Amino acid sequence: AQSVTQLGSHVSVSEGALVLLRCNYSSSVPPYLFWYVQYPNQGLQLLLKYTSAATLVKGINGFEAEFKKSETSFHLTKPSAHMSDAAEYFCAVSDPGNNDMRFGAGTRLTVKP
Amino acid sequence: DAEITQSPRHKITETGRQVTLACHQTWNHNNMFWYRQDLGHGLRLIHYSYGVQDTNKGEVSDGYSVSRSNTEDLPLTLESAASSQTSVYFCASSESRGRLQETQYFGPGTRLLVL
Repeated sequence: AQSVTQLGSHVSVSEGALVLLRCNYSSSVPPYLFWYVQYPNQGLQLLLKYTSAATLVKGINGFEAEFKKSETSFHLTKPSAHMSDAAEYFCAVSDPGNNDMRFGAGTRLTVKP
Repeated sequence: DAEITQSPRHKITETGRQVTLACHQTWNHNNMFWYRQDLGHGLRLIHYSYGVQDTNKGEVSDGYSVSRSNTEDLPLTLESAASSQTSVYFCASSESRGRLQETQYFGPGTRLLVL
């Protein structure tokens, strides 16, 4: 079955600094990959997704992620962190051969002023 | 506006009791999902449905059941609540039957405490 590993349960950056949240996946077939964001006491909302089109995917709020098959990675980046980016971020993978989706454990992003 | 709602938002129950969590979506989506969220585990899929009368087990289905009698609703039942089922539960939906590349839209969550 497919799986996702998010490296770092907690990442802290200064406002204006680069945000890098790491995600590695395992899948037996080319996967679909997602990044979701969760603000406190809310459900998840989609930031961006990769579905076998362009490997560099741009999402909302200035985030982007690059699918690297050779590294089995789908890291999330943003050039300049904003205070409003503080939230929990989840990477997820779905395998077209299986009928479910697997989420990573999440990375909590803190942005310092 | 279309939305997905969950009720109750908070629930306290005792071990051994049957509990049902409601999920209702007004997008007319075919796919609906139930997840539980626990610290250190992210979200784990409990059950999912690709349409009326269709239900499937997810990664952590033991002790839970669902039924899909219409497009809008997928209630989640804990047959005999256990303390290990204390968690935050999220319902989600997506549009087309079985297409896992589609965006899932999440409800606000139900926080369940089993004493």
